[in-house]
Amino acid sequence: DVKVTQSSRYLVKRTGEKVFLECVQDMDHENMFWYRQDPGLGLRLIYFSYDVKMKEKGDIPEGYSVSREKKERFSLILESASTNQTSMYLCASNGEQETQYFGPGTRLLVL
Amino acid sequence: AQSVTQPDIHITVSEGASLELRCNYSYGATPYLFWYVQSPGQGLQLLLKYFSGDTLVQGIKGFEAEFKRSQSSFNLRKPSVHWSDAAEYFCAVGPNDYKLSFGAGTTVTVRA
Repeated sequence: DVKVTQSSRYLVKRTGEKVFLECVQDMDHENMFWYRQDPGLGLRLIYFSYDVKMKEKGDIPEGYSVSREKKERFSLILESASTNQTSMYLCASNGEQETQYFGPGTRLLVL
Repeated sequence: AQSVTQPDIHITVSEGASLELRCNYSYGATPYLFWYVQSPGQGLQLLLKYFSGDTLVQGIKGFEAEFKRSQSSFNLRKPSVHWSDAAEYFCAVGPNDYKLSFGAGTTVTVRA
């Protein structure tokens, strides 16, 4: 079974803090993704990575950056957290036929 | 550009009744199509997928979906719903440079 893990299930941070969300997959997948999920908006792609050290912006990259130093690990960074970044963050990696496998999610609250 | 529409935001169904969730897509070629389920506070779990071949696809938990190219649809069905099927369901289409586009989701409530 594909396993995608995320470093935290719940996080509470203060406005202006730098926040790191980490994601690890164990299937040697090339591509990894970060989404945010908000009620009524579905999943919106923040960034994705198609190889180590390679990344592309998704639909809503503003206020976020990413890092992929190793194939199995993809980190999402909020440089200076703001209250409008309170959300559910989902990481995924994709395998055959572009099937995406998701982690359990991190629910982030920015105060 | 690819996109997905799930016309129903919320559906309520009685336990034991049948369920159908609608999904319409826009895509320039033969799509890969997916249905995912999300229980509260959890990540998304793959229910089933279509990429070629038989247009009626069987998935986990007793779900099936039918790809209809002429209608640009990929509706999800289950003949008899269980209380544990209460969740949010997402349809997705792709690929576009490895990326998928997701619908806004349909929340299913199951009443006893």
